[in-house]
Amino acid sequence: AQSVTQPDIHITVSEGASLELRCNYSYGATPYLFWYVQSPGQGLQLLLKYFSGDTLVQGIKGFEAEFKRSQSSFNLRKPSVHWSDAAEYFCAVGPTQGGSEKLVFGKGTKLTVNP
Amino acid sequence: NAGVTQTPKFRVLKTGQSMTLLCAQDMNHEYMYWYRQDPGMGLRLIHYSVGEGTTAKGEVPDGYNVSRLKKQNFLLGLESAAPSQTSVYFCASTKSGGSGANVLTFGAGSRLTVL
Repeated sequence: AQSVTQPDIHITVSEGASLELRCNYSYGATPYLFWYVQSPGQGLQLLLKYFSGDTLVQGIKGFEAEFKRSQSSFNLRKPSVHWSDAAEYFCAVGPTQGGSEKLVFGKGTKLTVNP
Repeated sequence: NAGVTQTPKFRVLKTGQSMTLLCAQDMNHEYMYWYRQDPGMGLRLIHYSVGEGTTAKGEVPDGYNVSRLKKQNFLLGLESAAPSQTSVYFCASTKSGGSGANVLTFGAGSRLTVL
């Protein structure tokens, strides 16, 4: 069965610092990979996705993620964090066989940004 | 251009009471989903629908029922609420969910407390 692991439950960074959120997955083949962000009191919003091709993908709000097949990872990065980036971030894995009902979410990483 | 709208946003129930959560989307999406979000658990799929008049069970369907009488609406019902159903509920939709590559559009969530 596919699974997603986000090892860090909570990360605190200072505004202007760089950020990396980790995501590891377990799946028989290369799945579809997503990062969603949930701002306080809001639903989830797509940051970026990887389906195939270039392993470095760009998303909204200055985020990027790199797919590393050998490490089964899809880590999210941002060079300089803004206070408005404080939110919870979810990595998700979509199957290459079957529909979106099989999408699996990680448990999330909560990001706190200190001024 | 509302997207996915959930009502109510907050509700407090007593054990054994019933209620219905309404999800409405105005994007003409075929597929709709109900998730629950619990601390440290990520999102778990309760039920989903691949089109008007159809519903299917997700990962955690027990204690819930759903209906999709109109394409734009997806209702989640609790017939006899239990404290274990205290959670934040999210509705999501996608144009065509037959592939794991689809991006979901989420509502802002409904926070339910069962006393």
